[in-house]
Amino acid sequence: DIQLTQSPSSLSASIGDRVTITCRAGQDIGTDLAWYQQRSAQAPGRLIYGATSLQNGVPSRFSGSGAGTEFTLTITTLQSEDFATYYCLQHRQHPHTFGGGTRVEV
Amino acid sequence: QAQLVESGGGVVQPGGSRRLSCAASGFEFTVRAMHWLRQAPGQGPEWLGTLSYHGRWVYYADSIRGRSLISRDNAKNAFYLSLSSLTINDTAIYFCARSHYPSSDVDLWGQGTLLTVSS
Repeated sequence: DIQLTQSPSSLSASIGDRVTITCRAGQDIGTDLAWYQQRSAQAPGRLIYGATSLQNGVPSRFSGSGAGTEFTLTITTLQSEDFATYYCLQHRQHPHTFGGGTRVEV
Repeated sequence: QAQLVESGGGVVQPGGSRRLSCAASGFEFTVRAMHWLRQAPGQGPEWLGTLSYHGRWVYYADSIRGRSLISRDNAKNAFYLSLSSLTINDTAIYFCARSHYPSSDVDLWGQGTLLTVSS
């Protein structure tokens, strides 16, 4: 199985901050990586697919970068609705696996 | 508007079985691969398995392989997960989700159904 290591596991931030979350894969997964946001008591929603492509309807303050084994999710100018938990997912091979999550809190 | 709605959760005794259902609407279900995922309390999501649009390709996670069946009924826009030999470790919210292909990431999740395994 391909392991994804997310860091940090949690972070404290303020509205207006720039936030960066990293996801490292245990082997080369090309750009077969997606990012999801999960607010409390809700299902996850896709933010980024193909490592860098923004999901329709997602604000442009979210961006993804990387390829191979190292990936980054960046939120520029954090908004109140962005306080949530973020997960990366690799779909290079089965089983699809998630990172451990990053909780963004005040 | 594309939507997935899960049902079938509830309380089951250890060793029991359950079939979860997922009703799809608002998109062309018959051309989409479908997935089951779950999230145990306080944990991150776990992918459980996927089924191709025609139902001929299926992949299972080790955690449910051998005691589960993923199936679909394209005539009813429905997707199913049957789980047996349940243990307390199977307690979780179960989500269905769609993708373009079995190898793709999921782009839409349902709201989930809670399955609690308890005596």
